[in-house]
Amino acid sequence: DAKTTQPNSMESNEEEPVHLPCNHSTISGTDYIHWYRQLPSQGPEYVIHGLTSNVNNRMASLAIAEDRKSSTLILHRATLRDAAVYYCIPDNNAGNMLTFGGGTRLMVKP
Amino acid sequence: NAGVTQTPKFQVLKTGQSMTLQCAQDMNHNSMYWYRQDPGMGLRLIYYSASEGTTDKGEVPNGYNVSRLNKREFSLRLESAAPSQTSVYFCASSRGPDEKLFFGSGTQLSVL
Repeated sequence: DAKTTQPNSMESNEEEPVHLPCNHSTISGTDYIHWYRQLPSQGPEYVIHGLTSNVNNRMASLAIAEDRKSSTLILHRATLRDAAVYYCIPDNNAGNMLTFGGGTRLMVKP
Repeated sequence: NAGVTQTPKFQVLKTGQSMTLQCAQDMNHNSMYWYRQDPGMGLRLIYYSASEGTTDKGEVPNGYNVSRLNKREFSLRLESAAPSQTSVYFCASSRGPDEKLFFGSGTQLSVL
């Protein structure tokens, strides 16, 4: 399984962009990179996923390095509601075993 | 839109007691999962069901059993609860393998 490394915590100011990094140097060529987030006292929710090229949706953008050993989740304008734990998860192609590590706790200051 | 519904939301058990956590989804998803989350930690997969009629062990299956009752429902049973099973339990579902997961709001379980 691909191992991931994420900062334990990050801070951002409200309405500023946030770049959340993730290293996944052992990722295999066919693993998708998934991002989920977990708001306080809730279950995780899907944010975005991608394979090789950068991806955008209404929540965030995902920038994937050319060698695929790292990726960055970009929140274009952080809001207080974005304060959560963000998990970067390479898909191990077992199809059913997304593994959630410790994630990055994002704190957003007003 | 109910999505994934878990019951109960809170439960306190004594060591050795048994109980079943219930999970139901109304999205016609094929795959369902049970995770546990210990304080300050990420989620660990207990069991999953890729499709109706199949179940498989995840990372931490010891002390648990599951039943995929039908396409909608996936239950998790603790036969003899232990304090080490104190955790928050999340059920999730997905359309199929490698599809995005939808989570329930969790069950806070304390075993004394």
